[in-house]
Amino acid sequence: SQELEQSPQSLIVQEGKNLTINCTSSKTLYGLYWYKQKYGEGLIFLMMLQKGGEEKSHEKITAKLDEKKQQSSLHITASQPSHAGIYLCGAFSNSGNTPLVFGKGTRLSVIA
Amino acid sequence: NAGVTQTPKFQVLKTGQSMTLQCAQDMNHNSMYWYRQDPGMGLRLIYYSASEGTTDKGEVPNGYNVSRLNKREFSLRLESAAPSQTSVYFCASSRTSGGVLSTDTQYFGPGTRLTVL
Repeated sequence: SQELEQSPQSLIVQEGKNLTINCTSSKTLYGLYWYKQKYGEGLIFLMMLQKGGEEKSHEKITAKLDEKKQQSSLHITASQPSHAGIYLCGAFSNSGNTPLVFGKGTRLSVIA
Repeated sequence: NAGVTQTPKFQVLKTGQSMTLQCAQDMNHNSMYWYRQDPGMGLRLIYYSASEGTTDKGEVPNGYNVSRLNKREFSLRLESAAPSQTSVYFCASSRTSGGVLSTDTQYFGPGTRLTVL
């Protein structure tokens, strides 16, 4: 079965600094999702990537899927306290006939 | 637009008690899912329903049952709660069609925090 490994597990950054979170799959990715979760709340959809080399941005968050479609990175520019939370990647391992599997998450703290 | 709603938000049970977690979506989605989230384990799929009238086991189905009541509602039942079922439970839905899962985005509810003593 497919496994997603996220790194780092947790991250503390100073406000204004850039950061990157990685998500690596044991199999080729056919759809990679990034979600954000604030403590005690549900998951908020950020972005979805499907094509090798694809890159999407939303405000100060950019996500990329590598050409081989086995790794994705989430980059936050000029971090703010509002970026704090848990970031999870989720993916399908084939064309879509199996449910989404998730990484264990990366906990991000942004300090002033 | 409410999206995905879950009730209750919090629940405390004693070992052996039963309860049903409710989930409803108003986005006319075909597929619905139940996950549990535990520290260090991430999100794990319990059951899912690719379309109305069908349900399938996920990664951790033992101790749970589900009912796809109609297109909007998907409930999760714990017949005899155990401390190992203490967790945060999330319901999600996605558009899909034809009874086959696709890469459509899943939208999540706010979660139910369950404690079993």
